[in-house]
Amino acid sequence: ETGVTQTPRHLVMGMTNKKSLKCEQHLGHNAMYWYKQSAKKPLELMFVYSLEERVENNSVPSRFSPECPNSSHLFLHLHTLQPEDSALYLCASSASRLNTEAFFGQGTRLTVV
Amino acid sequence: GIQVEQSPPDLILQEGANSTLRCNFSDSVNNLQWFHQNPWGQLINLFYIPSGTKQNGRLSATTVATERYSLLYISSSQTTDSGVYFCAASTLGGGSEKLVFGKGTKLTVNP
Repeated sequence: ETGVTQTPRHLVMGMTNKKSLKCEQHLGHNAMYWYKQSAKKPLELMFVYSLEERVENNSVPSRFSPECPNSSHLFLHLHTLQPEDSALYLCASSASRLNTEAFFGQGTRLTVV
Repeated sequence: GIQVEQSPPDLILQEGANSTLRCNFSDSVNNLQWFHQNPWGQLINLFYIPSGTKQNGRLSATTVATERYSLLYISSSQTTDSGVYFCAASTLGGGSEKLVFGKGTKLTVNP
């Protein structure tokens, strides 16, 4: 039990579909993150939320749309994705966004067909 | 931003052997973490160690912040230690507090 739960664990979607990834943390943290891990690449930070406010968007295409309705939940809405968007998407949380220990969920393995 | 480099990229051991994984970083750090990624993709926290030495069972880690490196020691390795080990670091200030990951060390422990 990591305290950070992601659903679904696996997702296959067509390029015209709309889907959402969900992340929930039970650690009382104030910062949440989306990371992308593609084959043979380092983990890339996509979005940072602190106290439900987006504080960083690392030049992520608009077909990825994050939502943070409260400090415990984070969503990543997906639409009109490309096959190269297939990757492992990891959610993380930390007590604050300033250099505190981060904890990760199990990830969602996304395949775009 | 901060650069994080890990070595070696690949490591193959026989069960029972000891190993040392290295992480070099290019700037002063306020956060340095070691993770183990299991075959299912989950990142397991091993150490939060911006400086000093910590031990947890067969694993220990040392970060020498002034010389900008961290080491992860695995003793008496087991097959379950196989996977990818990541080092991640962040530095304070300038809006660059994000955690930057190295490319990882892929460890294979053979029975």
